[in-house]
Amino acid sequence: GQNIDQPTEMTATEGAIVQINCTYQTSGFNGLFWYQQHAGEAPTFLSYNVLDGLEEKGRFSSFLSRSKGYSYLLLKELQMKDSASYLCAVTRGNNRKLIWGLGTSLAVNP
Amino acid sequence: NAGVTQTPKFRILKIGQSMTLQCAQDMNHNYMYWYRQDPGMGLKLIYYSVGAGITDKGEVPNGYNVSRSTTEDFPLRLELAAPSQTSVYFCASGENQETQYFGPGTRLLVL
Repeated sequence: GQNIDQPTEMTATEGAIVQINCTYQTSGFNGLFWYQQHAGEAPTFLSYNVLDGLEEKGRFSSFLSRSKGYSYLLLKELQMKDSASYLCAVTRGNNRKLIWGLGTSLAVNP
Repeated sequence: NAGVTQTPKFRILKIGQSMTLQCAQDMNHNYMYWYRQDPGMGLKLIYYSVGAGITDKGEVPNGYNVSRSTTEDFPLRLELAAPSQTSVYFCASGENQETQYFGPGTRLLVL
């Protein structure tokens, strides 16, 4: 996905914490999104990071390091319903179109 | 608000047939997008629009056409369906260039 890298698959246990990483090319970078997509459904917005640091939203947090071209999505107190694909996307340059990673498929096991 | 709606939900086409995938939004968003999503390939931008009367090509526009005569509607046209166009098609809209709200998708099978 145009130099956006994320792991293809991850597994975790219900109640645990999981971190999904995303790296990207920094040239022209504007901001980074995380979306969640359940099988057979449309992507839904989770977070948007522009500045360095951690943004927390309930059980989900997203971190960004602009200088390192690195982000992660942290999911706490995992639930079975968190089994889904997590898509990292960035905007670059003046047109600001989203460029999508291939997604990380997370399986939460009991 | 209904958000972003897409019709049909599912369609089977024969090679060479044509069809229009409908997309509508009731949020008065200027920005609208068409993506296709193939297994293991991620979301690919087909066409997008920054407002009524303005459209532009995305990554994979070949074999498709769009129009944007109103703010609400952004139909995607397939003129000569090919098996390579078998995919899930998502329409999205946004109030600015970054935020995107997705429709439920249209599953298209070309045989």
